[in-house]
Amino acid sequence: RKEVEQDPGPFNVPEGATVAFNCTYSNSASQSFFWYRQDCRKEPKLLMSVYSSGNEDGRFTAQLNRASQYISLLIRDSKLSDSATYLCVVAVSGGYNKLIFGAGTRLAVHP
Amino acid sequence: NAGVMQNPRHLVRRRGQEARLRCSPMKGHSHVYWYRQLPEEGLKFMVYLQKENIIDESGMPKERFSAEFPKEGPSILRIQQVVRGDSAAYFCASSEDRGSQPQHFGDGTRLSIL
Repeated sequence: RKEVEQDPGPFNVPEGATVAFNCTYSNSASQSFFWYRQDCRKEPKLLMSVYSSGNEDGRFTAQLNRASQYISLLIRDSKLSDSATYLCVVAVSGGYNKLIFGAGTRLAVHP
Repeated sequence: NAGVMQNPRHLVRRRGQEARLRCSPMKGHSHVYWYRQLPEEGLKFMVYLQKENIIDESGMPKERFSAEFPKEGPSILRIQQVVRGDSAAYFCASSEDRGSQPQHFGDGTRLSIL
C-alpha cells in the first residue's frame, strides 16, 4: 500500500466549476500535511498547509480528518491557470520533516 | 533573494558514466533534501543532509548513489555508472532548520541516460 494515495485523474472541468480532490495517508504518526502544485516539468510549489480545523485561501479550501487519515482540497470557480497536478504531501516527524508525496492528481480546466 | 539553485537544468549521460547534480540552498538555509521523480510518479525522498553531515539516507539506492554537503559550496548528488533507470527529475529542497516548513524546492535537474 502506498503511503499517500491519490486519484491520478485527470479531472477535466470547465472554467467556473468546483472540483474536489481527496487523499489518504497510511502513517498515523504523520504530523504535517500540505497540498503542493506542480506544473508540467516544473518544481513542486507549496499551495497551502492543511489543518484539522480546515483552512481557506481564496478559492482553495483544505480539510484534514486525522481519524480517517484523509485530506481534501476544494477549488471553487476554477480558472484556466489552475490546470496542473496537485500533490498531497505528508510530513513524518523524526526531528525533521521528511516529505512523503502522493503521485498527484491532474486537473485540466477548459474554456 | 535567490531561491534554491540547481544545476545543470538538464544533464545527458551515456550508460556507465558519472552524473553530478548540484544544489545551492536558499541563503541562510543549512538543511538540504534530495528527491527523485520518475516519469508519471510522485517525488520520492532520497537523502537529508546538514552541513558536513548526512542525517537520513534511507531513500538512497544502496549502490552507485552518494550525496554530500560540504562546509563550503553546494550539495552534490553523485550517481556513478549510470543506467537507463536513473533517468528522472532530481529535485533539491532546503529549509532553515530541522523542523522548518515549508521546504523550498529548486527547479530540478532532468537527467537523461542514453
